[in-house]
Amino acid sequence: GAVVSQHPSRVICKSGTSVKIECRSLDFQATTMFWYRQFPKQSLMLMATSNEGSKATYEQGVEKDKFLINHASLTLSTLTVTSAHPEDSSFYICSAREMAQAGGLGNSPLHFGNGTRLTVT
Amino acid sequence: AQKVTQAQTEISVVEKEDVTLDCVYETRDTTYYLFWYKQPPSGELVFLIRRNSFDEQNEISGRYSWNFQKSTSSFNFTITASQVVDSAVYFCALKYTGKLIFGQGTTLQVKP
Repeated sequence: GAVVSQHPSRVICKSGTSVKIECRSLDFQATTMFWYRQFPKQSLMLMATSNEGSKATYEQGVEKDKFLINHASLTLSTLTVTSAHPEDSSFYICSAREMAQAGGLGNSPLHFGNGTRLTVT
Repeated sequence: AQKVTQAQTEISVVEKEDVTLDCVYETRDTTYYLFWYKQPPSGELVFLIRRNSFDEQNEISGRYSWNFQKSTSSFNFTITASQVVDSAVYFCALKYTGKLIFGQGTTLQVKP
C-alpha cells in the first residue's frame, strides 16, 4: 500500500534554532501535501496545504514566515520551523494526497506520515 | 461551515464491553467523505474507514461497525467486545476541498 515517510520521528532542538521536517511519498506521486500540528491531548489542526511547484496555502493564524513549506517535487515536501521556541513544541504530521482519481479530489486517497515530535528546549 | 464534533472527550470501559463513539458533522456540501482514524500512544494515525455521502449503508469489519445517518448528520463508531489494545484516541474527520477536518477526538481506555 501507499506509504508516506516522515523524518525525523523525534527531534529536540534549542530555542532559536531551525528544524526541518521531511515528508516523502514513497510509491506514489503527491501533487498536494498537508501539514498538521497536534498539541498534547488536542486534535490535529491543519497548518497549511502544500502544492508541488507553487506556494503553500496557510490556514488562518499560521505564520508563513515561521513555518516555511517547500514542495519542490511530486514526492517531497518539507516544513521548516524557523527560530523555534518552546511553544512550537508539538507533534507535526504530514499527509500526502495521491494524484486525482476519477470522482475528483474528494476521491483521492490521503496517506499520513508517522509524525514528528518536536521538543524545543 | 465545515465542522466535526466528538462530544465524548474520554470513555472508560472494561474489557469485553461494547462501546460507541459519537461523531456529528456539519457541511453544506452534498458530496463529502467521512473518516475514522485511530491514534495509539505512539502517535501515528491508523486509517479505519472512509464513507462517502451517497453510501448510507452501515458497515461492519470484525469487531468494528459504523452507523452513518445523514438525517442526523452522524457517523458513529461501535467497538464490540472491546479489548485493551483498543485503547487509543479516535478521531472522526470530514474531507472538505481535499483536506481533512478533524473532530476533537475521543480517548478510549479499555481496562482489563
